[in-house]
Amino acid sequence: DSGVTQTPKHLITATGQRVTLRCSPRSGDLSVYWYQQSLDQGLQFLIQYYNGEERAKGNILERFSAQQFPDLHSELNLSSLELGDSALYFCASSVAGGRETQYFGPGTRLLVL
Amino acid sequence: AQSVTQLDSQVPVFEEAPVELRCNYSSSVSVYLFWYVQYPNQGLQLLLKYLSGSTLVKGINGFEAEFNKSQTSFHLRKPSVHISDTAEYFCAVTLFSGGYNKLIFGAGTRLAVHP
Repeated sequence: DSGVTQTPKHLITATGQRVTLRCSPRSGDLSVYWYQQSLDQGLQFLIQYYNGEERAKGNILERFSAQQFPDLHSELNLSSLELGDSALYFCASSVAGGRETQYFGPGTRLLVL
Repeated sequence: AQSVTQLDSQVPVFEEAPVELRCNYSSSVSVYLFWYVQYPNQGLQLLLKYLSGSTLVKGINGFEAEFNKSQTSFHLRKPSVHISDTAEYFCAVTLFSGGYNKLIFGAGTRLAVHP
């Protein structure tokens, strides 16, 4: 158990809908990262937050957004969902935002029908 | 730009045999290297990491990896595998710039250990 929690574990929804994925980092970690794992794209970095502020963006679509709250939990919002958004979404956390190890949560499996 | 290439998409091996999972990276700057393992229907677990110092890194579950700067490689090895090692293994390099830390992953190698 990495100490990073993600909810829900599974999510099934329809095209055009909007969903919110939630992540709670390890106790004491200030940075949260979101990754997407899909069959065709592999594991890709989406976005990083550090202590409530966006720190870096990767291959994140404009339909996707994220935020980190004062209690340091983070939410990834996915809107206008398409079939191709079906994937496993991981959250990771680290102590700060530097060279430390990132610890991954169990992921949320999203299926868009 | 950094990139990671895992040379084998699948590696079948018999139980108690040795295994090597290959990883090459490209980077114009110093990097930190990681191996993560993903068991079926689970998240990613850190196996080992290279930040600096000794080029031979020992990790959990009997795995080790060797950083070779001249060959830009970070191959993962285990002298004797178990059925329970069946999983997907990901090599990753960290791009650290301007205060942010982004992991770039390889495509993964599926290790299948057979009895």
